[in-house]
Amino acid sequence: KQEVTQIPAALSVPEGENLVLNCSFTDSAIYNLQWFRQDPGKGLTSLLLIQSSQREQTSGRLNASLDKSSGRSTLYIAASQPGDSATYLCALISGTYKYIFGTGTRLKVLA
Amino acid sequence: NAGVTQTPKFRVLKTGQSMTLLCAQDMNHEYMYWYRQDPGMGLRLIHYSVGEGTTAKGEVPDGYNVSRLKKQNFLLGLESAAPSQTSVYFCASRNLNSGAGDYEQYFGPGTRLTVT
Repeated sequence: KQEVTQIPAALSVPEGENLVLNCSFTDSAIYNLQWFRQDPGKGLTSLLLIQSSQREQTSGRLNASLDKSSGRSTLYIAASQPGDSATYLCALISGTYKYIFGTGTRLKVLA
Repeated sequence: NAGVTQTPKFRVLKTGQSMTLLCAQDMNHEYMYWYRQDPGMGLRLIHYSVGEGTTAKGEVPDGYNVSRLKKQNFLLGLESAAPSQTSVYFCASRNLNSGAGDYEQYFGPGTRLTVT
């Protein structure tokens, strides 16, 4: 059974620091991987989608990579800001409906 | 373009009561999903639909029913609410997988349900 793990569960960093969030999965038979941001009491906002054939995607200060052979994806946030404080979730996509979510990393960026 | 909307935003039910959660999307998406989010458990799929008039069970379907009579709407029903159904419910939609990025899901703001 596919399992998705996000470590650490929580992270506090000072403003301006570059940071990496991790997403590990057990089965490399995935189609795509999607990173989301969730603010408290809100829905999920899509950040980046990496297709199975790609190794990384970039959007602004965000860069997501995918290494299927090692079962790992990372989300890199450059020059972090207090507004980046949120919970970050990764989701493996392995079919029409099969989105398997990690439990998230709660990020706090201190001003 | 409102994206994905959900009503109501909050609801408190007594055990045994029934209710329907409404999800609407204006992006002409074929696929729609209902998830529940519980602390420490991530999002779990309840039911999903691959088009108007179709529904299918997800990971945790027991105690819930769904209907997709119109393409833009996906209804989630709780027949007899139980305290274990206290959760935050999210609806999502996505397009047919006809090209790059089509696996991207778009989420509604959620419905916070408490069953006492």
